[in-house]
Amino acid sequence: QQQVKQSPQSLIVQKGGIPIINCAYENTAFDYFPWYQQFPGKGPALLIAIRPDVSEKKEGRFTISFNKSAKQFSLHIMDSQPGDSATYFCAASYTGATNKLIFGTGTLLAVQP
Amino acid sequence: GAGVSQTPSNKVTEKGKYVELRCDPISGHTALYWYRQSLGQGPEFLIYFQGTGAADDSGLPNDRFFAVRPEGSVSTLKIQRTERGDSAVYLCASSSGQGNIQYFGAGTRLSVL
Repeated sequence: QQQVKQSPQSLIVQKGGIPIINCAYENTAFDYFPWYQQFPGKGPALLIAIRPDVSEKKEGRFTISFNKSAKQFSLHIMDSQPGDSATYFCAASYTGATNKLIFGTGTLLAVQP
Repeated sequence: GAGVSQTPSNKVTEKGKYVELRCDPISGHTALYWYRQSLGQGPEFLIYFQGTGAADDSGLPNDRFFAVRPEGSVSTLKIQRTERGDSAVYLCASSSGQGNIQYFGAGTRLSVL
């Protein structure tokens, strides 16, 4: 049962470009939407997260855009660098339960020099 | 320790054998999660501990899987009669409490031959 759909599966951009990764969710009870970055052989690391009471959140070069009515959210990476090459996962959870994360299927990003 | 520690980092076993995977959470973190990540997929929730008790084990695929956290710190995921389909990376995450950030370990890569 896939509750969070993520696209694209893979993405190639040039250095300085702005990759955009999209996610859509089904469960309207979700109230926490994090993005995780994972390098090969490592565990996922939290990049940035948003709650549905705001439409945008920015931390450094990373921005989340959130559309509650469409049940969609996206990650934008400004001025992308080769070191940003990794797999990115969106996720969702809801407060009051276990806060278990429901992950998307991931996007493999390659930033070419 | 500074982060979530998982041992072993790699485990190769034969079909039908029993395995134990260990997770040392960040000191003081009361919440502990196990996830399973298959190749090319996002992590999937297995079980959640709050303190010593398993508050949510709804993600365990069948009764061959079991996890314990007897003293509210270290947790062990146990898999009986392993099958080739159990091959995956098993990730552990800890959090300081419900609703807070989950910090992941690097995982244990289990290969069942």
